[in-house]
Amino acid sequence: QKEVEQDPGPLSVPEGAIVSLNCTYSNSAFQYFMWYRQYSRKGPELLMYTYSSGNKEDGRFTAQVDKSSKYISLFIRDSQPSDSATYLCAMPNNNNDMRFGAGTRLTVKP
Amino acid sequence: DSGVTQTPKHLITATGQRVTLRCSPRSGDLSVYWYQQSLDQGLQFLIQYYNGEERAKGNILERFSAQQFPDLHSELNLSSLELGDSALYFCASSGGGAGTDTQYFGPGTRLTVL
Repeated sequence: QKEVEQDPGPLSVPEGAIVSLNCTYSNSAFQYFMWYRQYSRKGPELLMYTYSSGNKEDGRFTAQVDKSSKYISLFIRDSQPSDSATYLCAMPNNNNDMRFGAGTRLTVKP
Repeated sequence: DSGVTQTPKHLITATGQRVTLRCSPRSGDLSVYWYQQSLDQGLQFLIQYYNGEERAKGNILERFSAQQFPDLHSELNLSSLELGDSALYFCASSGGGAGTDTQYFGPGTRLTVL
């Protein structure tokens, strides 16, 4: 079993839809939770960064962490075609070893 | 543009060969991280250097090695290449040495081993 599990999709939604992306993890020592966005043929870029449990909102994006369930989510409101990308969850362990999910490929259709 | 540069963009080589990938971090960043991204394994952390010293090691094969030079650029050396080493190799940089620091990724080097 991988430390970080993420449904690879693909996920296809119409423009304007609310998108929910999720990851589960097994290592209870994870404290920091990140979401990266990776466009085709590009390097990942940090989208959201949360510490411990709770919600964090940034524009149309909301990151949610539920440490009791070892479950994190990224919500995208009013999704746009420009949101079409692969979204990766990531968590650094105590040894600076960043563990990534497999990535969910999202397509937002106009 | 993240400010991290990687060369070359593409590399095609044969099994058994050795290649060197180069990374220049963002101005002022002291840490460089190397990652491998393949379809079957996803994005995997290989190694981190901080200000010239190895800081953390991930799933890096013994055939692979890296170093960070005094000007803070880094090189990843891959030797005795196998077909399975074909992948995208990313370099990332951050200001500090903690794994929780924001990492900025370069555009990657696509390695094809024939």
